[in-house]
Amino acid sequence: QSVLTQPPSASGAPGQRVTISCSGSSSNIGSSYVSWYQQLPGAAPKLLIYRNNQRPSGVPDRISGSKSGTSASLAISGLRYDDESDYYCAAWDDNLSGPVFGGGTQLTVV
Amino acid sequence: EVQLVESGGGLAQPGRSLRLSCSTSGFTFGDYAMTWIRQAPGKGLEWVGFIRSEAYGGAALYAASVKGRFTISRDDSKSIAYLEMNSLKTEDTAVYFCARDRGRSYFDYWGQGTLVTVSS
Repeated sequence: QSVLTQPPSASGAPGQRVTISCSGSSSNIGSSYVSWYQQLPGAAPKLLIYRNNQRPSGVPDRISGSKSGTSASLAISGLRYDDESDYYCAAWDDNLSGPVFGGGTQLTVV
Repeated sequence: EVQLVESGGGLAQPGRSLRLSCSTSGFTFGDYAMTWIRQAPGKGLEWVGFIRSEAYGGAALYAASVKGRFTISRDDSKSIAYLEMNSLKTEDTAVYFCARDRGRSYFDYWGQGTLVTVSS
């Protein structure tokens, strides 16, 4: 059971906008920045969003992050087939004194 | 170009030890904390532990699931981070990733991972 809660799956058609939620508590998301990672099958995770809504260089602006209270969201607009991947949220947890991850959301582009 | 390459994975029997290495290049290794994260087959990501840079004391912090069994160290002269795993359990079976740690849950570069299988 992951500390952060994500829906196991999400889907959308090409060109559409999809959001992935990440729910936590006051000891993690409520008091810390949230990061998002994309993991293609058989590959290492790749940083998509850090400090709630910052994109590293190379990540397109159709990908965005937001946080409100103890929840965060990742939004992907202009959905493409190569967006099919697993997505993980992460945040520092003050009670556990370490970062915690969501269980991951498998995104399907149908 | 920043690169991280893990090595040292393989098959180990329960109770035995294994040491993983994370060789890096393309950045000033000594300036950064380094983190180890693992992923059991078909499962999500789990933080294992991290080691601070020497500028911040060089101390390591561990997840409860590995504390007392795993040790993270670093050799800044070689730009390598290590994960010493002792008293291995079958539940330690996973792909182990090292990542450059920018603070809290912000890991900007990852290695490709190395598979550790603990089985008799």
